[in-house]
Amino acid sequence: GEDVEQSLFLSVREGDSSVINCTYTDSSSTYLYWYKQEPGAGLQLLTYIFSNMDMKQDQRLTVLLNKKDKHLSLRIADTQTGDSAIYFCAEGNGDAGNMLTFGGGTRLMVKP
Amino acid sequence: DAGITQSPRHKVTETGTPVTLRCHQTENHRYMYWYRQDPGHGLRLIHYSYGVKDTDKGEVSDGYSVSRSKTEDFLLTLESATSSQTSVYFCAISVKQNEQFFGPGTRLTVL
Repeated sequence: GEDVEQSLFLSVREGDSSVINCTYTDSSSTYLYWYKQEPGAGLQLLTYIFSNMDMKQDQRLTVLLNKKDKHLSLRIADTQTGDSAIYFCAEGNGDAGNMLTFGGGTRLMVKP
Repeated sequence: DAGITQSPRHKVTETGTPVTLRCHQTENHRYMYWYRQDPGHGLRLIHYSYGVKDTDKGEVSDGYSVSRSKTEDFLLTLESATSSQTSVYFCAISVKQNEQFFGPGTRLTVL
């Protein structure tokens, strides 16, 4: 079946770059997503990338996709304390219902 | 927040009791989803709906039922709650084909 894997934890210093990694197994994935969850809150869609792209940049966020290796990463430039949260990657097949399969989440801690 | 509300936001109940969680949207989107979130598992799909009275099972549907009698409301029912159903439940809607937006969640504790 489909599987999405992420490392559990990442700690960085304020002002550094953060890189959160994700691997997936479903080669038919059409869209790959990054969501952010702050404590006690729902999931916020940060960005997504279409599977025929290899990079997408949106302000401080850069998504890199290596489709051959089924590897997705999210780079946050100039990481701030407000970036501390759990980050989830997810894959979707892009059909009418677009069911998403989520990774277990990476907890990012930003130290001042 | 894409106009999604969930109620209740917190609930404590006892094993064997029925529980219904409500998801309400204000924008008449066709697709709605129920997920549960547990540590280490991310979010897992319970059921989804693709229209009024049209629902289907997700990955972890055992012990849950859903109903959608109006476009704006999607109900999740635990007929007889068990401790393994202690979780945080999220509703989501599909705004465009490739974008899902989530509600604030309901924290359910089954004692």
